[in-house]
Amino acid sequence: QSVLTQPPSASGTPGQRVTISCSGISSNIRSDTVNWYQQFPGTAPKLLIYSNNQRPSGVPDRFSGSKSGTSVSLAISGLQSEDEADYYCAAWDDGLNGPVFGGGTKLTVL
Amino acid sequence: QVQLVESGGGLVKPGGSLRISCAASGFTFSDYFMHWIRQAPGKGLEWVSYISSRGSPKKYADSVRGRFTISRDNAKKSLYLEMNSLRAEDTAVYYCARGPPYDYWGQGIRVTVSS
Repeated sequence: QSVLTQPPSASGTPGQRVTISCSGISSNIRSDTVNWYQQFPGTAPKLLIYSNNQRPSGVPDRFSGSKSGTSVSLAISGLQSEDEADYYCAAWDDGLNGPVFGGGTKLTVL
Repeated sequence: QVQLVESGGGLVKPGGSLRISCAASGFTFSDYFMHWIRQAPGKGLEWVSYISSRGSPKKYADSVRGRFTISRDNAKKSLYLEMNSLRAEDTAVYYCARGPPYDYWGQGIRVTVSS
């Protein structure tokens, strides 16, 4: 069982806006920044959002992150078929003194 | 450009040992913490271990503590994971990653523990 909680699945149609939630506790999400990763089958994860809402170079601005208390969200606007992938949230846990991941959300573009 | 390339994976029997490596290039390896993160078949990401830029401190997940040892050689720009007393549940793709925020990942190396 993952420390951070994500819905196992999400879906949307092309052009829609989809959000994926990630919840934790005070020792992780509340106290530290959250990062999001995108993973396609058979490939390594890719950093999508860091420090709650920052996009690395090359990540489209259709992807955005937000944080409120012990919950964070990843939003994807103008959904495209190539966005179909698994998405993971992660944060540092002060109690464990190590990173913790969400269980991942499989995004399907209908 | 930044590259992380894992090697050394394979099939090992339960109770056996294996050492996997991660060769880094394109950045000042000695400036960064490095982590091992694994993904069992069909499962999510699980953090395994990290090592500081200078080799200490190190930290392990409860699931591998006492069986796995992380190390690095900054002169060779390499990261290692020595895995002993392997179990079926250690079967996974193992990734090395820089950071956090894990801005670069290796391609992953498969470790299969089976008789």
